[in-house]
Amino acid sequence: GAGVSQSPSNKVTEKGKDVELRCDPISGHTALYWYRQSLGQGLEFLIYFQGNSAPDKSGLPSDRFSAERTGGSVSTLTIQRTQQEDSAVYLCASRYGLNTEAFFGQGTRLTVV
Amino acid sequence: KQEVTQIPAALSVPEGENLVLNCSFTDSAIYNLQWFRQDPGKGLTSLLLIQSSQREQTSGRLNASLDKSSGRSTLYIAASQPGDSATYLCAVINQGAQKLVFGQGTRLTINP
Repeated sequence: GAGVSQSPSNKVTEKGKDVELRCDPISGHTALYWYRQSLGQGLEFLIYFQGNSAPDKSGLPSDRFSAERTGGSVSTLTIQRTQQEDSAVYLCASRYGLNTEAFFGQGTRLTVV
Repeated sequence: KQEVTQIPAALSVPEGENLVLNCSFTDSAIYNLQWFRQDPGKGLTSLLLIQSSQREQTSGRLNASLDKSSGRSTLYIAASQPGDSATYLCAVINQGAQKLVFGQGTRLTINP
């Protein structure tokens, strides 16, 4: 595709429910990142994929958070038993190689009520 | 641990002025540094990427410089316009790591 695509763009869920956020990176980009941005805050790193493996998942806040990537392309971030503090914009980025630009999607705004 | 700082946190200038945004990082062992802009409620838009071996990059009215040894980068915006109003973020990738480490951003307002 032309850019990084994230879906849904907005998600409202009840506390305690599970949610799945999807990221379609730019075709051919081997590296994929997930970040979180709470209201008025900076970007918080969650996880990094190289191909289908995740060499750095140090930013996942708890074991309620998990992510996978299949076929070296689409990635899904899953949040189980959502809590109100999970409310944030979840951003995905991809890049072709280490010395190339990273491109971000428009994000998924998650609201837990 | 790499830490990235952007000063000032906010900046307001009249239209037409040239301005400089600052980014500093604590660990000079980086692969590259990237500047982004973020409009309210939107994702990040890439502006410029500077490799660790480069000193500067230019794109239109934007010029980014990198002094790796001192851990500093600047983004120069010439002849500012109201459409330049946004939050500007810098991010570095460390050697031996793969993730982008971001500063907190500078919120820029250009007044007509």
